[in-house]
Amino acid sequence: DTAVSQTPKYLVTQMGNDKSIKCEQNLGHDTMYWYKQDSKKFLKIMFSYNNKELIINETVPNRFSPKSPDKAHLNLHINSLELGDSAVYFCASSQDSESDSPLHFGNGTRLTVT
Amino acid sequence: DQQVKQNSPSLSVQEGRISILNCDYTNSMFDYFLWYKKYPAEGPTFLISISSIKDKNEDGRFTVFLNKSAKHLSLHIVPSQPGDSAVYFCAASRWSNYKLTFGKGTLLTVNP
Repeated sequence: DTAVSQTPKYLVTQMGNDKSIKCEQNLGHDTMYWYKQDSKKFLKIMFSYNNKELIINETVPNRFSPKSPDKAHLNLHINSLELGDSAVYFCASSQDSESDSPLHFGNGTRLTVT
Repeated sequence: DQQVKQNSPSLSVQEGRISILNCDYTNSMFDYFLWYKKYPAEGPTFLISISSIKDKNEDGRFTVFLNKSAKHLSLHIVPSQPGDSAVYFCAASRWSNYKLTFGKGTLLTVNP
């Protein structure tokens, strides 16, 4: 009964392709996030949704589009993949968007673009 | 522009001893700080947090200290156990804007 689950765990694809990563949380949380861990190991926020509404949208290329069909799901679609998109993408959720709600992370999706 | 810095990429301690992990931040607007622990092939898990109105928070073997004037926080683990071996991330945010900024992490190895 994984709290935050994301699929796939590994994704290898070629430049120019379009791919999606799915995330689901069964914690009943209102807020979900996408973080990216790059080659330098920094974890950086990309997007955050609260009750299906976008509340954080960092400086991310338009090729990245999050979709939240309901508050338990937050998917990430990436168009025209580039080599620099290779990274580990983590989905996370929290009770709400207030600071005292710790994030619960999924186990990550390692994306490799060749 | 690293707003949260963990200058030690790794730390090795003996089982039973104290582990001290350090973190510095540059943004004076940060007022909430957290530590996360990460095992290989898993996502980070929340460990402990502290708000800027406190200078210490304790939870079992884990204690976080905050020195606002020095913009420095540290995580103490006493006693250290082999199962504590993991990467520890420091993170910070502004209370009103829940957008965590993470450091690069410190790999802690606790030797039996």
